[in-house]
Amino acid sequence: GQNIDQPTEMTATEGAIVQINCTYQTSGFNGLFWYQQHAGEAPTFLSYNVLDGLEEKGRFSSFLSRSKGYSYLLLKELQMKDSASYLCAVRDSKAAGNKLTFGGGTRVLVKP
Amino acid sequence: GAGVSQSPSNKVTEKGKDVELRCDPISGHTALYWYRQRLGQGLEFLIYFQGNSAPDKSGLPSDRFSAERTGESVSTLTIQRTQQEDSAVYLCASSPRDRVIYGYTFGSGTRLTVV
Repeated sequence: GQNIDQPTEMTATEGAIVQINCTYQTSGFNGLFWYQQHAGEAPTFLSYNVLDGLEEKGRFSSFLSRSKGYSYLLLKELQMKDSASYLCAVRDSKAAGNKLTFGGGTRVLVKP
Repeated sequence: GAGVSQSPSNKVTEKGKDVELRCDPISGHTALYWYRQRLGQGLEFLIYFQGNSAPDKSGLPSDRFSAERTGESVSTLTIQRTQQEDSAVYLCASSPRDRVIYGYTFGSGTRLTVV
């Protein structure tokens, strides 16, 4: 099976940086995803990592270390609209198809 | 269609009644997934369809839950004899191939409330 852990909630100030950590345990690893979910809305794709290292996409970056079973999502220059839940999800290479297993999500609150 | 469409967006039902939730995936997406999200929690996998292959039903929580999909089109998730613990948002997602790097496209979900 899979186990994915991320903090429940984080608070940060507008303009600041926040790092959301995700640790996972899986029998076979084939990619890690980050999704953003605003309250009452569908999750939307943010990033994908399958190799070790940092993937940068504008204000958002995602890092992966496969040997440590660890990823983080870095949000820079925080804006009020970044207040949302951030979901870490892992694809298991031993699972059929493209099935993703999600963590519980991290609720980020951006304060002025 | 342009996105994944789910209906109804909200459903309130009495305990013990059956409900049917519908998902219309993006045209051409061969894979379709159902997830459940309880209030303040993460997404819980329910079932996965890939083309005409046998579905992966490993996430269905009980035999009260079932889902169907005809070919690569619409899917319906049926919950029989609903219980209060079934109250959640039911999310459908689709993806264009079996293994992709860009994950899923989710629908807006059906919020089910069992009273």
